Amino acid sequence: GQNIDQPTEMTATEGAIVQINCTYQTSGFNGLFWYQQHAGEAPTFLSYNVLDGLEEKGRFSSFLSRSKGYSYLLLKELQMKDSASYLCAVKDSNYQLIWGAGTKLIIKP
Amino acid sequence: ETGVTQTPRHLVMGMTNKKSLKCEQHLGHNAMYWYKQSAKKPLELMFVYSLEERVENNSVPSRFSPECPNSSHLFLHLHTLQPEDSALYLCASSQDPGDSAYEQYFGPGTRLTVT
Repeated sequence: GQNIDQPTEMTATEGAIVQINCTYQTSGFNGLFWYQQHAGEAPTFLSYNVLDGLEEKGRFSSFLSRSKGYSYLLLKELQMKDSASYLCAVKDSNYQLIWGAGTKLIIKP
Repeated sequence: ETGVTQTPRHLVMGMTNKKSLKCEQHLGHNAMYWYKQSAKKPLELMFVYSLEERVENNSVPSRFSPECPNSSHLFLHLHTLQPEDSALYLCASSQDPGDSAYEQYFGPGTRLTVT
């Protein structure tokens, strides 16, 4: 079966750095996405990785290792508004998105 | 503003009711999706429409019936639902679903409670 694993919940301190990991086993691979979802709101797109390596976008970076079936989302200089759920999703061989259950990130002052 | 709107935002219905959820996208995309989101579970893809034709139907019970009259509008018709169908129903749209690079844009969702 297809599976995406990510931690259920993480806590970090304002101003710090946090890394949210995602491992996947899917039938085929056509890219990995990270989305942010604030409580009661729509998921919003953060990043896309299809080749190995690090993609940096401001305070957020995303890393991919296809051989290890592994990705992480790195958030720097954490702000209170970063408190949200972070969803990892992989496009399989049918271009269907397979989703993880999300990581709830709690930021403390 | 994400460019994808959904109505109603909240819906409470009994198991014998019939209701419809509406989604509209203003982004010029040619694919639209219905997802179910339950607490602490992954997003479940229910239906995909590409160029107004249904291309995916992930073994969804027949009490959920989608309709896509044009590339900008998507409906989900509900009838004789069960309490376990209570969830957040999200609509999304994207450019060509067969291209891996295009992200999906989500609406705010309809919070459905079945009593």
